[in-house]
Amino acid sequence: DAGVIQSPRHEVTEMGQEVTLRCKPISGHNSLFWYRQTMMRGLELLIYFNNNVPIDDSGMPEDRFSAKMPNASFSTLKIQPSEPRDSAVYFCASSPGASGHTGELFFGEGSRLTVL
Amino acid sequence: GENVEQHPSTLSVQEGDSAVIKCTYSDSASNYFPWYKQELGKGPQLIIDIRSNVGEKKDQRIAVTLNKTAKHFSLHITETQPEDSAVYFCAANPYNNNDMRFGAGTRLTVKP
Repeated sequence: DAGVIQSPRHEVTEMGQEVTLRCKPISGHNSLFWYRQTMMRGLELLIYFNNNVPIDDSGMPEDRFSAKMPNASFSTLKIQPSEPRDSAVYFCASSPGASGHTGELFFGEGSRLTVL
Repeated sequence: GENVEQHPSTLSVQEGDSAVIKCTYSDSASNYFPWYKQELGKGPQLIIDIRSNVGEKKDQRIAVTLNKTAKHFSLHITETQPEDSAVYFCAANPYNNNDMRFGAGTRLTVKP
């Protein structure tokens, strides 16, 4: 079975540009998560969805970040405008559990973003 | 909110030796404690997890122990092999909440 699929794997952009990261969760999973990984801050939860509905976006750093999940098989994380401090690896993960049912997270391979 | 601390940040062992990584958490409502392994260029992958109703769980060379009173849990890897070299993350998750908090990670190096 295909795992969580993220694109692009690598993105290099200039400060001020819009960045869109994409994620396809595992089919049948009810929850989807966006994490950011940096050396300084480790793995940070940005936002998670349950049944396509955003449940908690308190980890989103600021208004420049937005995430959507228009259907059960697709989610985007957008940064507009991007800044050098946004450089990180962004992971999408999905989980079969519904909200309130903790269980295994299945991570994609990440999107490495570099903002010059 | 939950705060997870992980030690050590780096660990180097000789092949065949054991490795132990320790984590503490702050939220007494946490009841699910997974461990993830992250290899270079990959996403984290679950290797073992434990829930608060048990004190120990073992899967071949990997074991996890949990002390709810002291709010700490540990990962034990026995008979380490070079392919165990990776970054390991602990995490804690309160029941009825998907806000899983990760430790800072431990870079394990197993020298042949």
